[in-house]
Amino acid sequence: AQSVTQLGSHVSVSEGALVLLRCNYSSSVPPYLFWYVQYPNQGLQLLLKYTTGATLVKGINGFEAEFKKSETSFHLTKPSAHMSDAAEYFCGISQGGSEKLVFGKGMKLTVNP
Amino acid sequence: NAGVTQTPKFQVLKTGQSMTLQCAQDMNHEYMSWYRQDPGMGLRLIHYSVGAGITDQGEVPNGYNVSRSTTEDFPLRLLSAAPSQTSVYFCASGDRGHRQFFGPGTRLTVL
Repeated sequence: AQSVTQLGSHVSVSEGALVLLRCNYSSSVPPYLFWYVQYPNQGLQLLLKYTTGATLVKGINGFEAEFKKSETSFHLTKPSAHMSDAAEYFCGISQGGSEKLVFGKGMKLTVNP
Repeated sequence: NAGVTQTPKFQVLKTGQSMTLQCAQDMNHEYMSWYRQDPGMGLRLIHYSVGAGITDQGEVPNGYNVSRSTTEDFPLRLLSAAPSQTSVYFCASGDRGHRQFFGPGTRLTVL
């Protein structure tokens, strides 16, 4: 069975600083990996996904993530945080070819002025 | 397109009551799923469906039933509500590009 791990539950950055949210995965087959964002009192929205091909994936709102098979990681980054990035971020995994999606526990991002 | 809709938005039940959370999508997606979200636990998959007439269990299926008689609808039934089922429930549908679209959620309290 596949799973993802997001260590910690909360990260705080200053506006304009680098955002780095970590995600490590476990899968016995090539995974599909995802990052979703949840703003307060809303459902989740897809930020970006990795299925096959280029390992550096660009998403919406200036976010990107890199699939590193050797490190079993799919960390999310953004060069410069904006106040509007404050939200909860979830890493997710599905087995290639299956739509069944399993999430990590989430990471709440706070952006300080 | 309305996307994924969920009703009701809020619900309070007493222990032992039954109810159905409704979920509908108008994007003709074959895949639909239900999650529950609890503080510190993230989103956990309850049940999912890969098409009309086909359902399967996720990580936390106990206490919940589902059926999929049409492509559009995927209701979640609680037969005998328990306080442990107090949560926020999200329905999602997925396209062939492995993107999932989430509804706004139902906040359920079981007393």
